[in-house]
Amino acid sequence: NAGVTQTPKFQVLKTGQSMTLQCAQDMNHEYMSWYRQDPGMGLRLIHYSVGAGITDQGEVPNGYNVSRSTTEDFPLRLLSAAPSQTSVYFCASSYSGHNEKLFFGSGTQLSVL
Amino acid sequence: RKEVEQDPGPFNVPEGATVAFNCTYSNSASQSFFWYRQDCRKEPKLLMSVYSSGNEDGRFTAQLNRASQYISLLIRDSKLSDSATYLCVVFLGNAGNMLTFGGGTRLMVKP
Repeated sequence: NAGVTQTPKFQVLKTGQSMTLQCAQDMNHEYMSWYRQDPGMGLRLIHYSVGAGITDQGEVPNGYNVSRSTTEDFPLRLLSAAPSQTSVYFCASSYSGHNEKLFFGSGTQLSVL
Repeated sequence: RKEVEQDPGPFNVPEGATVAFNCTYSNSASQSFFWYRQDCRKEPKLLMSVYSSGNEDGRFTAQLNRASQYISLLIRDSKLSDSATYLCVVFLGNAGNMLTFGGGTRLMVKP
């Protein structure tokens, strides 16, 4: 039982490049989400999903896309990377929603030059 | 004003000390409250939920004060391993269906 697996751990992009952050969980959780963490600002919700085929925007969705084709996977796509997207990204899951214990992946440190 | 505010610290305390953190929230409709712990460069992990009546888990006690809109975390008999950042998390429920994280309070326990 691996929990929430997030890849890559580190990534450097040039402005305008695109990439996908991968997230997979093996706990059969319905709810999955992506957060970004910036110094002094707390984690902020980017997108979330309450089940396969269902996604919704969080607090800071601009510049990011998600899809949820299976219960296990919830990739985050950066369409055209900008320096403002330099951050640490965390994927998280829970059994059914925001109001439950969240299990986090180990994070991706992304730098956009 | 931030929705969830925490003193960033750091709180520097000796081993064995008792330390308390507060966290204030702005929306009186907030329904659920949590404390998460985050070690340096690691993912957050749930420390405890905060119940209206207050709750205790070993050396950790969490309390909620709805009238003054704050939650607290008390750590007794601090250990070196308690050194971490403690994140206050608030759920608005139907008023805003997502969690709001505070910026965290850093605790450093010294020998």
